[in-house]
Amino acid sequence: SAVISQKPSRDICQRGTSLTIQCQVDSQVTMMFWYRQQPGQSLTLIATANQGSEATYESGFVIDKFPISRPNLTFSTLTVSNMSPEDSSIYLCSVRGGSSGGSYEQYFGPGTRLTVT
Amino acid sequence: QKEVEQNSGPLSVPEGAIASLNCTYSDRGSQSFFWYRQYSGKSPELIMSIYSNGDKEDGRFTAQLNKASQYVSLLIRDSQPSDSATYLCAVIRGGTSYGKLTFGQGTILTVHP
Repeated sequence: SAVISQKPSRDICQRGTSLTIQCQVDSQVTMMFWYRQQPGQSLTLIATANQGSEATYESGFVIDKFPISRPNLTFSTLTVSNMSPEDSSIYLCSVRGGSSGGSYEQYFGPGTRLTVT
Repeated sequence: QKEVEQNSGPLSVPEGAIASLNCTYSDRGSQSFFWYRQYSGKSPELIMSIYSNGDKEDGRFTAQLNKASQYVSLLIRDSQPSDSATYLCAVIRGGTSYGKLTFGQGTILTVHP
C-alpha cells in the first residue's frame, strides 16, 4: 500500500485562526479524501479532493470552512478556517486507487490531531 | 436506518477464543466491503476486504459476506490481547470504484488474558 504522511501531526490553535494540513503520498493515487474523526466517534467524510478542480463536499461541510486543494496526484491540503472549539478533532487523509493497491481499497494517513482553544 | 450498522459493543472475549464482529448495510447495490482495525490514538488500518459472497480467510481473520442478507462479519480466531482495538466495518456504496466509503460506528473489542 501507499505510504501516506501528514503534517502537522498535531497542533493547538486559537479560535478564529486557520490551519492548513498537508497530505503527501509516495505514489500517484486516483482518489484522495479528507475525513474527520471526533473523540469517541467513527469517521465522517468531509470531501473528495479532485485533482485540478474543486473538491466535492459532503452534506454539512462547505468550501469556505474547509477549503481543499489537490494540485497533483500525490499531494493535497485541507484548511480548517476560522476555527472554533467544535473543530477540535482528528483530521485524516485517505487514498484509493493507483499504485496504492487495488482500485477499491482505501488507506489512511496517520492523522492530524487538532485542538482549538 | 443507518447506512452501515455494527453490532453494539463493547465486546470482551478471553484470550484464545473466537471474536465475532457483525455488520449490516442498507444499500443493496454495494459491492465492496472492508474491515479496519483502529488502535487507540492511531489511524484506521485496513485488515480485510471482501467482494464476493462467502468466506475469505487471511491468517487468523475470516471475513464473511452475504449480499442477500446485506450482512458482513469478521471472525478473529485465537484472539490475542494485541487484537484489542476498535473494529470498523466500511462499505463502498454502489457498484463502482468511485463510490463513497461509509463507516459503521465501530465495535470495541477487548481480549483479556
